[in-house]
Amino acid sequence: GENVEQHPSTLSVQEGDSAVIKCTYSDSASNYFPWYKQELGKRPQLIIDIRSNVGEKKDQRIAVTLNKTAKHFSLHITETQPEDSAVYFCAASLDALIFGKGTTLSVSS
Amino acid sequence: DTAVSQTPKYLVTQMGNDKSIKCEQNLGHDTMYWYKQDSKKFLKIMFSYNNKELIINETVPNRFSPKSPDKAHLNLHINSLELGDSAVYFCASGPSGSLQGQFFGPGTRLTVL
Repeated sequence: GENVEQHPSTLSVQEGDSAVIKCTYSDSASNYFPWYKQELGKRPQLIIDIRSNVGEKKDQRIAVTLNKTAKHFSLHITETQPEDSAVYFCAASLDALIFGKGTTLSVSS
Repeated sequence: DTAVSQTPKYLVTQMGNDKSIKCEQNLGHDTMYWYKQDSKKFLKIMFSYNNKELIINETVPNRFSPKSPDKAHLNLHINSLELGDSAVYFCASGPSGSLQGQFFGPGTRLTVL
């Protein structure tokens, strides 16, 4: 079955810096890669996603890149703000979402 | 007008009891899911239903039994609760097919004493 590895597990940045979170997946048949943000005590919320026929997608300060050959995808957050602090999960999907173990992002002002 | 709702939000119970968590979505989605998030925040799929039919049943003890009376509801019944069942359980829904985002409910924090 699918296995998703996510790194780093924790990431601390200064406000205004960029943050990058990387994930790898094992099943080359996976074709959908969403990213979720989970604030403390809240539900995971979809922030951006990418499909296997696209290499990059951007939405304001957030971007995701996908390298199908290498089977890895990354989340890029630019100009980080304190409200970006949360746990971020990547996932890969063929018939179900398989999540990475999460990255706790802390943005200090 | 909450898209995916769950009840209860908190559930504290003794070992050996039986409990249920209810989930409803008003998004018109065909597929609903149950996830378990453990103390290390790891999110793992438990079940998936599509139009009331069980699609995915991961390695979950048979003490856990999902029930879908209609495509807008997916309830989770747990028998003979154990300490290790303590976790946050999230319901989610999404359109048919995997190429769409799933929307999560607010979660139910289950504590087994």
